[in-house]
Amino acid sequence: SAVISQKPSRDICQRGTSLTIQCQVDSQVTMMFWYRQQPGQSLTLIATANQGSEATYESGFVIDKFPISRPNLTFSTLTVSNMSPEDSSIYLCSVRPGSTDTQYFGPGTRLTVL
Amino acid sequence: QKEVEQDPGPLSVPEGAIVSLNCTYSNSAFQYFMWYRQYSRKGPELLMYTYSSGNKEDGRFTAQVDKSSKYISLFIRDSQPSDSATYLCAMSGADYKLSFGAGTTVTVRA
Repeated sequence: SAVISQKPSRDICQRGTSLTIQCQVDSQVTMMFWYRQQPGQSLTLIATANQGSEATYESGFVIDKFPISRPNLTFSTLTVSNMSPEDSSIYLCSVRPGSTDTQYFGPGTRLTVL
Repeated sequence: QKEVEQDPGPLSVPEGAIVSLNCTYSNSAFQYFMWYRQYSRKGPELLMYTYSSGNKEDGRFTAQVDKSSKYISLFIRDSQPSDSATYLCAMSGADYKLSFGAGTTVTVRA
């Protein structure tokens, strides 16, 4: 398994601003992902964070809105840009340790946009 | 049609009962199957993982996969009030991109 932390755990932001969410893992991992969980909904994959190259985005998500960085094998950031109330969600990072086919999730960042 | 279908419930059972949860899927490329438990305001916690058809048991939990019917199940025996949570099925292909069911909210009554 892996121990994953996210910062901040929650935030309340104003419309039009941006927030950067950090994800830190206690060991080097092969793959990192970012998911969104809208209120009362299940999880939807935003993108795969690739170490040393651009993230790979899923349909409906674009780099200008959700820029992602992954400078090394233990850390990634997701920025939610030019926020609107529709961006109010829980944002979760997950990791796939190289030795397994499973994924482990961080505690999530609860974002409210006013 | 969603790739993964899961009845959102809610499901309420008395303590000690067997909880039965299931998901169906349409993508034949799915080969890894997981169940996560999510408590309110927490991240999903991996409960069970399997990649082959058949049953896998871990304590009070049994995961069942039927690839021919594209159907997976999770059974919780001797349910406890601490099992009250939302249970999410998730699955992926070789790309490890998870597709989730809607989640089933379970309440175990003391």
